[in-house]
Amino acid sequence: SQTIHQWPATLVQPVGSPLSLECTVEGTSNPNLYWYRQAAGRGLQLLFYSVGIGQISSEVPQNLSASRPQDWQFILSSKKLLLSDSGFYLCAWRGQGTDTQYFGPGTRLTVL
Amino acid sequence: DAKTTQPNSMESNEEEPVHLPCNHSTISGTDYIHWYRQLPSQGPEYVIHGLTSNVNNRMASLAIAEDRKSSTLILHRATLRDAAVYYCIQWNYGGATNKLIFGTGTLLAVQP
Repeated sequence: SQTIHQWPATLVQPVGSPLSLECTVEGTSNPNLYWYRQAAGRGLQLLFYSVGIGQISSEVPQNLSASRPQDWQFILSSKKLLLSDSGFYLCAWRGQGTDTQYFGPGTRLTVL
Repeated sequence: DAKTTQPNSMESNEEEPVHLPCNHSTISGTDYIHWYRQLPSQGPEYVIHGLTSNVNNRMASLAIAEDRKSSTLILHRATLRDAAVYYCIQWNYGGATNKLIFGTGTLLAVQP
């Protein structure tokens, strides 16, 4: 069966510090991968998605970036965090040509 | 960009049926209607989806209007664990758009 992992589960970082969040998917090959962010009390905002290794589409211009070094690995990064980067970060995967998206447990990021 | 319209919030009593409405007046012939829900502090989870016919699964039923401009998610007997934000999304998962875009959803409160 397929599983999706995210870490860390929670993170507190100072403004201006770098960020690296990791998402891995097991049990499937060549999935579509997605990063979403949910600010407190708000809806889900799609940040990035990837249809394959090294292929990243950005939905919202900002100080975040994403990379997919392995088929099963999706990384969200920032060189300098802003206060507005605080939120709940969710990774998701979907099999190619399938109809259901599966979400990870999320990372709650607080930038102080 | 979310294209569906849902009420911001609804309330139900435990063990009673819940009907969650969704308007999608701009839906195209190839768009499916997907429903996800997000429990507190968790990522969204798939509930149900359909194209034209009404659909049933172990979680819920989906009633789609004949003109497909609206649909209703039906929880047959609400439990306290059904308290969540419910998202209605129109999406052609087999088309060129690889991304699932969430709106603000309906916050369902279930009273004991």
